[in-house]
Amino acid sequence: QKEVEQNSGPLSVPEGAIASLNCTYSDRGSQSFFWYRQYSGKSPELIMFIYSNGDKEDGRFTAQLNKASQYVSLLIRDSQPSDSATYLCAVDNSGYALNFGKGTSLLVTP
Amino acid sequence: EAGVAQSPRYKIIEKRQSVAFWCNPISGHATLYWYQQILGQGPKLLIQFQNNGVVDDSQLPKDRFSAERLKGVDSTLKIQPAKLEDSAVYLCASIKGAWTGETQYFGPGTRLLVL
Repeated sequence: QKEVEQNSGPLSVPEGAIASLNCTYSDRGSQSFFWYRQYSGKSPELIMFIYSNGDKEDGRFTAQLNKASQYVSLLIRDSQPSDSATYLCAVDNSGYALNFGKGTSLLVTP
Repeated sequence: EAGVAQSPRYKIIEKRQSVAFWCNPISGHATLYWYQQILGQGPKLLIQFQNNGVVDDSQLPKDRFSAERLKGVDSTLKIQPAKLEDSAVYLCASIKGAWTGETQYFGPGTRLLVL
């Protein structure tokens, strides 16, 4: 079974700080990497996707991918209380459907 | 553009009963996924359809779960008989094409409680 590992948290950061969320994966054939945000009682919504090694920035969010280390991360700058949610890392299963991690719970305190 | 629709939103049944969930993907989306999300876990793929054909059902408990997408549009997922451990949110998602790298759009989910 191909694995996607995340620290379940909760990760607590003060408002305005940088939140760093990490994910490792086991399938070296994976090509597509996604970060979804899930508020309590809601369905997942896409935050970022990344396909190439390096960094990809979108507003306050930066996704980082290192395929050699099988590691993908999400940085949230200037964290806001509204960013408090569970962040799911998802990795394609060698071109087939996505494997999701268990998610990291983020709490941004005012 | 309308999103992914699912019904019912909530369902409470007793163990050994049967239940069915319905999903209507975004118009024109060829690929449809059913996921099971147990509290505190990430979504787990149950079955993937491309048009009306099954692409992957390797994690579907076929002794009790079944799914169909007869006309390549909407889909139903059935559980018969239900067990306590089936209590979860059942999420439907769709993508326009067939490439896993496309963004998946999720429906609101159906929350199932088995007593």
